[in-house]
Amino acid sequence: QKEVEQNSGPLSVPEGAIASLNCTYSDRVSQSFFWYRQYSGKSPELIMSIYSNGDKEDGRFTAQLNKASQYVSLLIRDSQPSDSATYLCAVIKITGGGNKLTFGTGTQLKVEL
Amino acid sequence: AAGVIQSPRHLIKEKRETATLKCYPIPRHDTVYWYQQGPGQDPQFLISFYEKMQSDKGSIPDRFSAQQFSDYHSELNMSSLELGDSALYFCASSLDWTSYNEQFFGPGTRLTVL
Repeated sequence: QKEVEQNSGPLSVPEGAIASLNCTYSDRVSQSFFWYRQYSGKSPELIMSIYSNGDKEDGRFTAQLNKASQYVSLLIRDSQPSDSATYLCAVIKITGGGNKLTFGTGTQLKVEL
Repeated sequence: AAGVIQSPRHLIKEKRETATLKCYPIPRHDTVYWYQQGPGQDPQFLISFYEKMQSDKGSIPDRFSAQQFSDYHSELNMSSLELGDSALYFCASSLDWTSYNEQFFGPGTRLTVL
């Protein structure tokens, strides 16, 4: 079992709809949570970071964290074709050393016209 | 805003050759991370440096070594290259080593081993 789990998709939504991306993690010492967007052949681009339970909003994006359920999600409102990409969930655990990102396998999002 | 710079962007090598990848972090960022992403896979952590010292080590082969220099740039040295080393190599930087600091990725180096 991977430490960070995501549905691989593809998740297809019509333009203008809300896209909901989900992620679960297995290690309770996970401390920091991130969503990255990655276009094919390009580098991961940071979309959102969240550290405490609840919601965090930034423009069309809302991240939600529930540490008790070990669950983090990303909502994209008013989805646009340019949002079509792979979305990577990543976590950092408290290790006492460096703080590496552990990624899920990503969810492919397709926004259809 | 300045971003992470990586060079070269593309590199083609033969088996058993050596490659050196360079990373220049965002100004004032003193922590550098290296990740490897194979085709269809998620990025895998290789190694990280904070203030020129190795801070963490992941699934990095013994054939690979890395260091961070006094100007905070980092180099990943890869020797005895194998076909399986073909991948995208990303460098990321953060403001410091704490887990609350976001990591920003460079454009990557695409390494092809023939």
